[in-house]
Amino acid sequence: DTEVTQTPKHLVMGMTNKKSLKCEQHMGHRAMYWYKQKAKKPPELMFVYSYEKLSINESVPSRFSPECPNSSLLNLHLHALQPEDSALYLCASSPIAGGPLEQYFGPGTRLTVT
Amino acid sequence: SQQGEEDPQALSIQEGENATMNCSYKTSINNLQWYRQNSGRGLVHLILIRSNEREKHSGRLRVTLDTSKKSSSLLITASRAADTASYFCAGLDTGRRALTFGSGTRLQVQP
Repeated sequence: DTEVTQTPKHLVMGMTNKKSLKCEQHMGHRAMYWYKQKAKKPPELMFVYSYEKLSINESVPSRFSPECPNSSLLNLHLHALQPEDSALYLCASSPIAGGPLEQYFGPGTRLTVT
Repeated sequence: SQQGEEDPQALSIQEGENATMNCSYKTSINNLQWYRQNSGRGLVHLILIRSNEREKHSGRLRVTLDTSKKSSSLLITASRAADTASYFCAGLDTGRRALTFGSGTRLQVQP
């Protein structure tokens, strides 16, 4: 199984809502990533988890809160978002963080903040 | 922060023609990877070239890497309409141990 799954596919939320994005992989990868991608732009790294510990936080606002409950799951908790946070949120995994191999990406969650 | 720039930003060709995309990067890298993204979807890994390699082939793909110029190119030969997508280079930064993506090239292959 070389798939990274993400739920939901689409999410519309108001600025006062709390929601969560979920990501799952069963490849035994020990590194998982969250990226944010705006239209016609490249993915921008948000967070890196390595062996279930947060290893990189790219100065992301605290309204985004990542969580890695176990080696297969990665969540992104959202609270009090702004309309400019609307984007495609991509999850990825790789065998180890910073290793020589490629990352596997999920299909993304299209988030719209109203 | 972006690893670097890709050019062209957009490329439109006819089916059967070759497509060449270039990528420049800024920092020291362990390897450079190319990914494809169909509109609004996840990224799919295409090919990886290590910093001690100069050229690599995979099917219709040919990647070159020039570490002295900090640049890479991706050649897609005999393009097909299904190759229509955005293509991103991504460098594995030795310091950050994370990928940083180039700005991307949007390729349109006309049938």
